[in-house]
Amino acid sequence: QQQVKQSPQSLIVQKGGISIINCAYENTAFDYFPWYQQFPGKGPALLIAIRPDVSEKKEGRFTISFNKSAKQFSLHIMDSQPGDSATYFCAVRPVSQNFVFGPGTRLSVLP
Amino acid sequence: DAGVTQSPTHLIKTRGQQVTLRCSPKSGHDTVSWYQQALGQGPQFIFQYYEEEERQRGNFPDRFSGHQFPNYSSELNVNALLLGDSALYLCASSQGANEQFFGPGTRLTVL
Repeated sequence: QQQVKQSPQSLIVQKGGISIINCAYENTAFDYFPWYQQFPGKGPALLIAIRPDVSEKKEGRFTISFNKSAKQFSLHIMDSQPGDSATYFCAVRPVSQNFVFGPGTRLSVLP
Repeated sequence: DAGVTQSPTHLIKTRGQQVTLRCSPKSGHDTVSWYQQALGQGPQFIFQYYEEEERQRGNFPDRFSGHQFPNYSSELNVNALLLGDSALYLCASSQGANEQFFGPGTRLTVL
């Protein structure tokens, strides 16, 4: 099974700060790179996603940066808020296959 | 739109028993995927159903089986339960290979 590495394992950020979570994947063809947000007791919810022909995508306070040559992509949360405190998962989708998720990053935003 | 619904919310079983979990997909979705999420880990893909057939399968033993009904709802069955089967079981629905929407999950505890 494809390995997806995610860092850091946990992150503490002050309110208003920038949260950065990184994801790295192995050498396989993928066609979709989403980030999911999960609150305790809930299922993961799609936050933002990017396709490999784009290097950056921004939606509100959330930005994905994609580096195809380095096989890495990252999630940036600008102006982090206490309500952003959750676990974040990156995922990759091999072509014609199902998602492979990273181990998750627990984000805590301090008020 | 109720989104993806799962039942039951929680379930406690003993080793060796069998369990059936249920999922109703989001309106308009025809594909259902099942994931196992152990505590503190990312979701692991179990299998996917489309047109009432298992289309893809992850690295899970035959004790894990499923079914999809004509109304696109789905069941996950696990036989001969082991302690290690204790996890949050997530159902995700999609329209074909498009983005997946997750349900809240069923928390299974095996004693």
